[in-house]
Amino acid sequence: GAVVSQHPSRVICKSGTSVKIECRSLDFQATTMFWYRQFPKKSLMLMATSNEGSKATYEQGVEKDKFLINHASLTLSTLTVTSAHPEDSSFYICSARVGAGDEQYFGPGTRLTVT
Amino acid sequence: QKEVEQNSGPLSVPEGAIASLNCTYSDRGSQSFFWYRQYSGKSPELIMFIYSNGDKEDGRFTAQLNKASQYVSLLIRDSQPSDSATYLCAVDTGKLIFGQGTTLQVKP
Repeated sequence: GAVVSQHPSRVICKSGTSVKIECRSLDFQATTMFWYRQFPKKSLMLMATSNEGSKATYEQGVEKDKFLINHASLTLSTLTVTSAHPEDSSFYICSARVGAGDEQYFGPGTRLTVT
Repeated sequence: QKEVEQNSGPLSVPEGAIASLNCTYSDRGSQSFFWYRQYSGKSPELIMFIYSNGDKEDGRFTAQLNKASQYVSLLIRDSQPSDSATYLCAVDTGKLIFGQGTTLQVKP
């Protein structure tokens, strides 16, 4: 099956710093990638939809200036959490799909802890 | 009203029993429905998808869809302790919208 990787798997950073998370589709080209955030014992909340070569579409309540998304190629999307604060500590998960209506393949997630 | 609703549980069943997980959704135009399993600290993994009304079976899993009533269910037959996890219902509205998940506990 299709494989999506994320890097890093875990990251700890200090409050006020920025953190970049990479999402890669390893064996297919992903027209669209999605970024989710999941707090403990909560469900996945979609943050933004990223299409290759265009600006990301953010969900209501998600600050686009704080969560910078770049989808520079068909196999790579990055999420940068700028000026991170402890409340940004969460499990960030990306997913990718080839095209509309296709199955989404999930990455293994990145655990972010902001101290 | 939430777009996708699930009972958070926990749902506890004995080993070997049938576990029944339910999900309702609000968008009548939704066409694709998914069940994911998520273990603690891991990302979701797809169990089944269903597009048409009726039942779809895959091994011990059966997904049921009733578009008129706007609900989707997942039956797990011969439940095993390894099935203990959180089960997420998701509806594709152009993007996947997840329910809050139902925690299933299968007791040996």
